[in-house]
Amino acid sequence: AQRVTQPEKLLSVFKGAPVELKCNYSYSGSPELFWYVQYSRQRLQLLLRHISRESIKGFTADLNKGETSFHLKKPFAQEEDSAMYYCALRSFNNDMRFGAGTRLTVKP
Amino acid sequence: DAEITQSPRHKITETGRQVTLACHQTWNHNNMFWYRQDLGHGLRLIHYSYGVHDTNKGEVSDGYSVSRSNTEDLPLTLESAASSQTSVYFCASSAGNQPQHFGDGTRLSIL
Repeated sequence: AQRVTQPEKLLSVFKGAPVELKCNYSYSGSPELFWYVQYSRQRLQLLLRHISRESIKGFTADLNKGETSFHLKKPFAQEEDSAMYYCALRSFNNDMRFGAGTRLTVKP
Repeated sequence: DAEITQSPRHKITETGRQVTLACHQTWNHNNMFWYRQDLGHGLRLIHYSYGVHDTNKGEVSDGYSVSRSNTEDLPLTLESAASSQTSVYFCASSAGNQPQHFGDGTRLSIL
């Protein structure tokens, strides 16, 4: 069965510091992985998908199949990055599983 | 602009009552999904549909039902509301293997 684990429920960094939000997954097939972000009182928005290999708002994420990880990174955090971040895995039948989420707080 | 809307945004009801949450999308997406969001659990899939008259159970489907009579709508029904179903409910839609677009959510409280 597919599973997504985000080991940190809360993460706090200072503005300008690097940030890494961890995501590990288990899936027997070839996974498709996403990061979604939810700002306060807003809907979930797609931040990244691994197949696009692009950088959005300074965030990047690399799929590491050996370590079954898809960590989200940003070299210099900004206060506006404070939000809830969800890692998600989509299987071949379009079934999407989300992690429990990490709440990122960027302090001034 | 195409959109996905959920109604109501907030609802309070009593245990045992039937409740229906609406989801309407104008993207013309074939795929629609319902999730519940709970602290410590993230989003969990309740039901999903790949097209008209198609419905499938997700991870936490007990106590919920959906029907898909047209492309635009996937209403979620709680047959007999329980306090454990107090949650924030999100609807999403997608086309093919494209990423899902989410609605604003419905906050449901069952007393």
